[in-house]
Amino acid sequence: EAGVAQSPRYKIIEKRQSVAFWCNPISGHATLYWYQQILGQGPKLLIQFQNNGVVDDSQLPKDRFSAERLKGVDSTLKIQPAKLEDSAVYLCASSLGGAGLDEQFFGPGTRLTVL
Amino acid sequence: ILNVEQSPQSLHVQEGDSTNFTCSFPSSNFYALHWYRWETAKSPEALFVMTLNGDEKKKGRISATLNTKEGYSYLYIKGSQPEDSATYLCAFSNNNDMRFGAGTRLTVKP
Repeated sequence: EAGVAQSPRYKIIEKRQSVAFWCNPISGHATLYWYQQILGQGPKLLIQFQNNGVVDDSQLPKDRFSAERLKGVDSTLKIQPAKLEDSAVYLCASSLGGAGLDEQFFGPGTRLTVL
Repeated sequence: ILNVEQSPQSLHVQEGDSTNFTCSFPSSNFYALHWYRWETAKSPEALFVMTLNGDEKKKGRISATLNTKEGYSYLYIKGSQPEDSATYLCAFSNNNDMRFGAGTRLTVKP
């Protein structure tokens, strides 16, 4: 079974630039998550999709972050414009359902450095 | 606010040592407790999902216990090996949210 794919693996940009990350979840997984993991902290949920609908985006900084999952499969996360404090690993995960017991399968993450 | 605390923040042990770390979480509205292992440059990998007070799970040399009444879980590694070096994350979920701790970074020296 193929895992969760993410690209790029690494990205370095200057502040005020824009950046986009891509995620392909495991086939058949209805729920997709984007997490932000800042060094020294635990992963923080940015947004959760159930198919192509948003379930939770309460911690997404909507003035600069946006995400979409138009066909209920792949997803993109965009930051525009980036700030220094956005430097982090951005993890994508997917699960069959969205319940608290469902195992989340993670991609390898995208490490973003904002200079 | 769901505060999930893990301790210690980092740990260095010698090959063959046994070790354990702690995850503390809110004792109210408990639904599940997850443990993940995250090796550098790889994807976080699920170890256990635990739901019942007193639950104990085991996978090889790694085991975990759960106390939902007092809000903690222990992860044990028996006879640590260099390949156990990773960050171990716990995540607490209630009916609505899942929150991760900051992790315990384990380094096993050969």
